[in-house]
Amino acid sequence: DGGITQSPKYLFRKEGQNVTLSCEQNLNHDAMYWYRQDPGQGLRLIYYSQIVNDFQKGDIAEGYSVSREKKESFPLTVTSAQKNPTAFYLCASSTPGQPYEQYFGPGTRLTVT
Amino acid sequence: KNEVEQSPQNLTAQEGEFITINCSYSVGISALHWLQQHPGGGIVSLFMLSSGKKKHGRLIATINIQEKHSSLHITASHPRDSAVYICAVRSLETSGSRLTFGEGTQLTVNP
Repeated sequence: DGGITQSPKYLFRKEGQNVTLSCEQNLNHDAMYWYRQDPGQGLRLIYYSQIVNDFQKGDIAEGYSVSREKKESFPLTVTSAQKNPTAFYLCASSTPGQPYEQYFGPGTRLTVT
Repeated sequence: KNEVEQSPQNLTAQEGEFITINCSYSVGISALHWLQQHPGGGIVSLFMLSSGKKKHGRLIATINIQEKHSSLHITASHPRDSAVYICAVRSLETSGSRLTFGEGTQLTVNP
């Protein structure tokens, strides 16, 4: 059963702590993405990776870090430098080459207090 | 101004009504996606268009590349269609497979 898994679904952290969100895919996709969703706003791209061991900043990368050591995995770390970390985080991957159809994970809702 | 604008932001309909959600964009694109997000948060892809029209069950998506406009239609709407519908485009100006998203349209279908 192919797809994208994100864990956990809900995550609570204290301010000042780093937290890592997991994203795993078994679709054999090269490209993976992390998005942030806030109420009343469209999804915004945090980081993306077109291939293993390579990644690029998206539109709102400040306060976040990623790694891409394996094709299947693209973890996102929300650091203490991220000023407003409470949000819904979505991971996605896309088919290689055109038409680049994106598949989304179920998301992780992070609450930082 | 956002590169992708959706209207309306919120839409309430009665079961059985015909529904239209609009998406306008300001950049040249190679593809446009319509996505559905249910209350739990997961997103599924409904359509990917680069021209013309696509139909899947009660859902129809159209795109007019010259006018930079797309519509998503739902015929014979049902309460289970209640969700957020999101338009996203792949711009010709950005590399690879990056998408730019609209803010979404919250649809509520009442029985």
